[in-house]
Amino acid sequence: KQEVTQIPAALSVPEGENLVLNCSFTDSAIYNLQWFRQDPGKGLTSLLLIQSSQREQTSGRLNASLDKSSGRSTLYIAASQPGDSATYLCAVKGTYKYIFGTGTRLKVLA
Amino acid sequence: EAGVVQSPRYKIIEKKQPVAFWCNPISGHNTLYWYRQNLGQGPELLIRYENEEAVDDSQLPKDRFSAERLKGVDSTLKIQPAELGDSAVYLCASSLEVQGNNEQFFGPGTRLTVL
Repeated sequence: KQEVTQIPAALSVPEGENLVLNCSFTDSAIYNLQWFRQDPGKGLTSLLLIQSSQREQTSGRLNASLDKSSGRSTLYIAASQPGDSATYLCAVKGTYKYIFGTGTRLKVLA
Repeated sequence: EAGVVQSPRYKIIEKKQPVAFWCNPISGHNTLYWYRQNLGQGPELLIRYENEEAVDDSQLPKDRFSAERLKGVDSTLKIQPAELGDSAVYLCASSLEVQGNNEQFFGPGTRLTVL
């Protein structure tokens, strides 16, 4: 059974800092991995999708990497801004469905 | 392009009452998901549709929950009767299932409070 873990559960950083969020999964037989952000009281916004054959994806200040053999993905946020404050969730897709982690709650201090 | 639409956004009901949630996916998306998200947790899949067929409903509490996807487009999720433990956010997502790209897009969710 696939299990997805995100560490740390919460993170507080000063504005401008580069940071890394971690996602680990127990079953390396994945189809793809998707990173989302969720603002309080809102739905999930897709950030990046990494297919199982890819090693990384980039969008603006965001870079996500995938290492299937070690069961890990990282989301790198460059030059963090207060607007980046949100909960970041990773979701791993097996054959048919996505399994989500519990998220990392990020606060970027101005 | 319109995103995933859900209604209502909020619902407060007494326990044992019925409730229904509606979802309109992104146009052309063949796969639709219903998730439940409890506070501080990630979403958990309740049911997944491919077109009008429910292909994974193993996590759906079938004694009180039901779902349908009319003509492979809109979907309704129903709870009858609701229990206190059903209080959560119910999220709908859709995707276009093509090889190598199954990016999910989520609606804003319905926050259910059962009193």
